[in-house]
Amino acid sequence: GENVEQHPSTLSVQEGDSAVIKCTYSDSASNYFPWYKQELGKRPQLIIDIRSNVGEKKDQRIAVTLNKTAKHFSLHITETQPEDSAVYFCAASNGYSTLTFGKGTMLLVSP
Amino acid sequence: ETGVTQTPRHLVMGMTNKKSLKCEQHLGHNAMYWYKQSAKKPLELMFVYNFKEQTENNSVPSRFSPECPNSSHLFLHLHTLQPEDSALYLCASSQDTVGLGNYEQYFGPGTRLTVT
Repeated sequence: GENVEQHPSTLSVQEGDSAVIKCTYSDSASNYFPWYKQELGKRPQLIIDIRSNVGEKKDQRIAVTLNKTAKHFSLHITETQPEDSAVYFCAASNGYSTLTFGKGTMLLVSP
Repeated sequence: ETGVTQTPRHLVMGMTNKKSLKCEQHLGHNAMYWYKQSAKKPLELMFVYNFKEQTENNSVPSRFSPECPNSSHLFLHLHTLQPEDSALYLCASSQDTVGLGNYEQYFGPGTRLTVT
């Protein structure tokens, strides 16, 4: 089955800095890669996703990149703000099975 | 948000009790999921139902018993739990379990379970 590794487990940045979270996956057939954000005490919510037919996708301050050859994908957050503080989960799917989630990254943005 | 609701939000039970968690989705989705969220395993998939049929059981102990009477409702029946079962139990739904474009999962607020 699919295995998703996520790093780092904790990331601390100053407000205004950029943050990068990286994930690797094992199943070369995986073709869908979403990112979920879970604020403290709240439910996980999808913030951005990418499919295997594109290499990069942006939405305002967040972007996701995908390297299919290396089987890794990354979340980039620019100009971080305190409200970006949360746990971020990456996930992968090959279209035939449910999402496999990474173990999460706790992002702390200090004012 | 009212797309996926869960009750109760908090539950404290003894190891000999029997209780049930309820999940309801109002999104017209066909697939529903139970996840266990704890410090050790942040998003651990337990069960998947697609069109009311269980499609995945991720080696979950039999003291957890799911029930899906229709595509909108999902239950998790609990009995003779252990203290290590204390966790946040999240329900989620999606349009389907397979097929591109159908993967976004909508999560409920979760039930915080404490087993004493």
